[in-house]
Amino acid sequence: GAGVSQSPSNKVTEKGKDVELRCDPISGHTALYWYRQSLGQGLEFLIYFQGNSAPDKSGLPSDRFSAERTGGSVSTLTIQRTQQEDSAVYLCASSFGGPPYEQYFGPGTRLTVT
Amino acid sequence: EDQVTQSPEALRLQEGESSSLNCSYTVSGLRGLFWYRQDPGKGPEFLFTLYSAGEEKEKERLKATLTKKESFLHITAPKPEDSATYLCAALNFGNEKLTFGTGTRLTIIP
Repeated sequence: GAGVSQSPSNKVTEKGKDVELRCDPISGHTALYWYRQSLGQGLEFLIYFQGNSAPDKSGLPSDRFSAERTGGSVSTLTIQRTQQEDSAVYLCASSFGGPPYEQYFGPGTRLTVT
Repeated sequence: EDQVTQSPEALRLQEGESSSLNCSYTVSGLRGLFWYRQDPGKGPEFLFTLYSAGEEKEKERLKATLTKKESFLHITAPKPEDSATYLCAALNFGNEKLTFGTGTRLTIIP
């Protein structure tokens, strides 16, 4: 079937505005992950969902960041009161949540905060 | 804390010139070691998973190997289309998040 999809592909927003990023995982994948990739940095884990629950939110950088997942499928990452340091590519991945543990990534959303 | 270090940061090879990329990891209980390829403007594309020392996996011109401290991605007779950033990531038994290295940017010159 189709791979992981993300929308929008690009988002430019003004400092202080809220943004929502969407992820549609691969059908049948119960686990969903959000990562952030900044210029010159490695991928940084943000949050992990198993079904609709988020057992690991340890990577969220501040309380301005939140995420939810509904119906065990689509997930939304929300950033409130965006700051310039939030500019990055936000990547979503999904997996079966068990062996073989491989995570499959979407194309990402490039967020630019001006 | 889990750590993954990749070297070199960048590598330029002539077409057909074989080489290896290195991934050193420090993980409290390795569940899997993953290699991804990332092209500019795209998400990482899964290549291989290795689970235990001594394991090897191959795909076309790429072969990944694993020891208790390192993984290598060997590229044999590369072609220009192999140019990309190669990412290594580790998964431990304590959580579900991948810890990534910063990647090796590989350029194959025709």
